[in-house]
Amino acid sequence: EAQVTQNPRYLITVTGKKLTVTCSQNMNHEYMSWYRQDPGLGLRQIYYSMNVEVTDKGDVPEGYKVSRKEKRNFPLILESPSPNQTSLYFCASSLSGGSYNSPLHFGNGTRLTVT
Amino acid sequence: GEDVEQSLFLSVREGDSSVINCTYTDSSSTYLYWYKQEPGAGLQLLTYIFSNMDMKQDQRLTVLLNKKDKHLSLRIADTQTGDSAIYFCAEIKSGTASKLTFGTGTRLQVTL
Repeated sequence: EAQVTQNPRYLITVTGKKLTVTCSQNMNHEYMSWYRQDPGLGLRQIYYSMNVEVTDKGDVPEGYKVSRKEKRNFPLILESPSPNQTSLYFCASSLSGGSYNSPLHFGNGTRLTVT
Repeated sequence: GEDVEQSLFLSVREGDSSVINCTYTDSSSTYLYWYKQEPGAGLQLLTYIFSNMDMKQDQRLTVLLNKKDKHLSLRIADTQTGDSAIYFCAEIKSGTASKLTFGTGTRLQVTL
């Protein structure tokens, strides 16, 4: 089954403790992206990757890192999480960008709480 | 403004029509989209419209586009309880290499 898999689904951590949220897709997609969803703010893009070893900042990259060593994986790293990074995170992938003939496929989300 | 804006909440009775509105920012956006987010899940593409179209109909869904006012709407006919979800409009701004900018989302509640 074609899918984007994020882990974990739920994560509670403390300020400053490094964490990684994994994302994997099995559709051979070139484009992958991370979003955070906050009430009243919609989805905001954190980082995206057009292909292996190519990553770029989105709208809210501060406090996050990503890597794209393999096509299928795009982990999101929080080196020193802070409470303002408490949010619902989504990974998405597509053949190329997010146009109508290359729609984004989303994972089911990771709810992160930083205390 | 810079944001793609939507009203936060809409409640309709089952069987009625729902109209979800969106104001986008870039008059040169080529494509505009509607995504649906069901509870506990990620977003799924619902429909889209090209900027050279005024209207697109797809079964119970009708998308209307007013380029002059940069206004996009999604009409759901005969709304069902399964339509309860958050709906996001999104645009690809010119010069952003297919980067989608999402609206704030409208939560649709369907009551019996």
